[in-house]
Amino acid sequence: ETGVTQTPRHLVMGMTNKKSLKCEQHLGHNAMYWYKQSAKKPLELMFVYNFKEQTENNSVPSRFSPECPNSSHLFLHLHTLQPEDSALYLCASSQDRRATGLNQPQHFGDGTRLSIL
Amino acid sequence: QQQVKQSPQSLIVQKGGISIINCAYENTAFDYFPWYQQFPGKGPALLIAIRPDVSEKKEGRFTISFNKSAKQFSLHIMDSQPGDSATYFCAAGKERTDKLIFGTGTRLQVFP
Repeated sequence: ETGVTQTPRHLVMGMTNKKSLKCEQHLGHNAMYWYKQSAKKPLELMFVYNFKEQTENNSVPSRFSPECPNSSHLFLHLHTLQPEDSALYLCASSQDRRATGLNQPQHFGDGTRLSIL
Repeated sequence: QQQVKQSPQSLIVQKGGISIINCAYENTAFDYFPWYQQFPGKGPALLIAIRPDVSEKKEGRFTISFNKSAKQFSLHIMDSQPGDSATYFCAAGKERTDKLIFGTGTRLQVFP
């Protein structure tokens, strides 16, 4: 299997539930990202991990908790979400830019469509 | 200063025509400008990218034109096909970080 795989593809949860989104990449990359995509808004970067270390937290509420156990896996733990958190959550990966000093292409998964009741 | 402004929001083109999507930025620290294509139910896929040391890059029917002094860049799709119907996002990457700032997207529809 190649590319970036996200599970589940769809998730419906109540505001008091706890759930997790999973992302796995088979591209040998060492940087991984979480984005939020809402209708008519730009993709919003949430978190960046480089070599399993979090290097960016874009002022994301604490009800979203990322975890990166290794360079191939990334999780987003969700708890007590709000209706406005309903969106498509995209995971991406890339080579770390520090090797070349240049931005590297980011490869996206197909996302998890999250609906908060 | 962190924004990337994209226009138009939607675009309808006849088959064989030229599709043009424009983006503008303010922050001169951006040094990487990719375009992504997204089909319904799929994640964005990198289409073509440019760095500010060149003014144009062409890959098949897709061309990026880059104007550093105006801080603008655009995507041209020549001989547009119905299969090009998708949402297109421009983005800008900031030097010394892995962050990408995305535009709001352009929904392109190509009719036969």
